Amino acid sequence: GAVVSQHPSRVICKSGTSVKIECRSLDFQATTMFWYRQFPKQSLMLMATSNEGSKATYEQGVEKDKFLINHASLTLSTLTVTSAHPEDSSFYICSASPGQNYGYTFGSGTRLTVV
Amino acid sequence: AQSVTQLDSQVPVFEEAPVELRCNYSSSVSVYLFWYVQYPNQGLQLLLKYLSGSTLVKGINGFEAEFNKSQTSFHLRKPSVHISDTAEYFCAVRWSGTASKLTFGTGTRLQVTL
Repeated sequence: GAVVSQHPSRVICKSGTSVKIECRSLDFQATTMFWYRQFPKQSLMLMATSNEGSKATYEQGVEKDKFLINHASLTLSTLTVTSAHPEDSSFYICSASPGQNYGYTFGSGTRLTVV
Repeated sequence: AQSVTQLDSQVPVFEEAPVELRCNYSSSVSVYLFWYVQYPNQGLQLLLKYLSGSTLVKGINGFEAEFNKSQTSFHLRKPSVHISDTAEYFCAVRWSGTASKLTFGTGTRLQVTL
């Protein structure tokens, strides 16, 4: 149980275009999901907390207009990287938790390459 | 500021040897503690977690960790490692009252060789 599915696993896009990444909780409802960014050989940095039916909460230094988050249902959150540039190339990972007594389940990640 | 420290960026070890990966965190207030493993180009897999109760926590793949409140530590151990344990290991902490946010350590690369 507690599976989080993330798509796509890899995406290559041209500079200036937008890319949407989906994060789905398959067997539980998630009122809150988290989006992380990971640079090569580094730890995960929390970008934002996605809240179902309300605005996302962004961490300091993360551009909300650059990284659009939509959490329209209890099982789906999306991250859209708008007007992508090569410096946005990174590994993006989402996570969610079925509840306080459970751990956090992570998606398999999305490798974004902007050329 | 609350922080998680993994002092060892890399730990080389021979197969079948024991290993300990260290994790310390900055505050002794109520915490929830986690260890995750990450294989190349994949997401994170939960190894084990401490939420409450017994301070010795057993997880998957033969790993265990001990919560030490006085030393604010949650070290991960395995008595005998296998080549397939080669991966990146992350310690993560959720402090009570932080809106469910996890703070990650910088990770430890466990490299198991023959």
